[in-house]
Amino acid sequence: DTAVSQTPKYLVTQMGNDKSIKCEQNLGHDTMYWYKQDSKKFLKIMFSYNNKELIINETVPNRFSPKSPDKAHLNLHINSLELGDSAVYFCASRSKTEAFFGQGTRLTVV
Amino acid sequence: DAKTTQPNSMESNEEEPVHLPCNHSTISGTDYIHWYRQLPSQGPEYVIHGLTSNVNNRMASLAIAEDRKSSTLILHRATLRDAAVYYCIPSGGATNKLIFGTGTLLAVQP
Repeated sequence: DTAVSQTPKYLVTQMGNDKSIKCEQNLGHDTMYWYKQDSKKFLKIMFSYNNKELIINETVPNRFSPKSPDKAHLNLHINSLELGDSAVYFCASRSKTEAFFGQGTRLTVV
Repeated sequence: DAKTTQPNSMESNEEEPVHLPCNHSTISGTDYIHWYRQLPSQGPEYVIHGLTSNVNNRMASLAIAEDRKSSTLILHRATLRDAAVYYCIPSGGATNKLIFGTGTLLAVQP
């Protein structure tokens, strides 16, 4: 029973398209995150939500729009995809003591 | 956000202890010290965390310097499965976000 699940696992798309990545957690946590890991393996926080409300937006272009329909879900919608958006995107949820990460979504923009 | 300094890479032999150091001299008084690791092609996973006292769990031990400006993650008997990038992350405060640095790439030789 996966704690944090992301779909899809792989996503290949053309420049200019709009795509979404879904994330669901079954841990009952209030806090969820999106991270981006680039080709150099650097993990960068993008957004943090607490109880469906945005609390951190780390200077991410406004082409990226997170949406939290309920506490268990934090989806990431990306408009007008660019080559530089190619990366692995990780969703995570957090209790008071530890964070649980999904397996990642590898996005390739061609 | 507190800055961290970790060795880029370390090597160990299987079944030997490994000591992974981290300097976090700008840590604030309320920040916990978290350690996460990322195995190849997976999302990060929680290892251990502590505030002032040394901590043990089933995965590792965490030794925290008295002035809290450094800490050491101890794997008591390295296995091949422990080969990963290890991140030390001071975290706390209002946003409580996890900011990943460059980490230490641990190689375990059979």
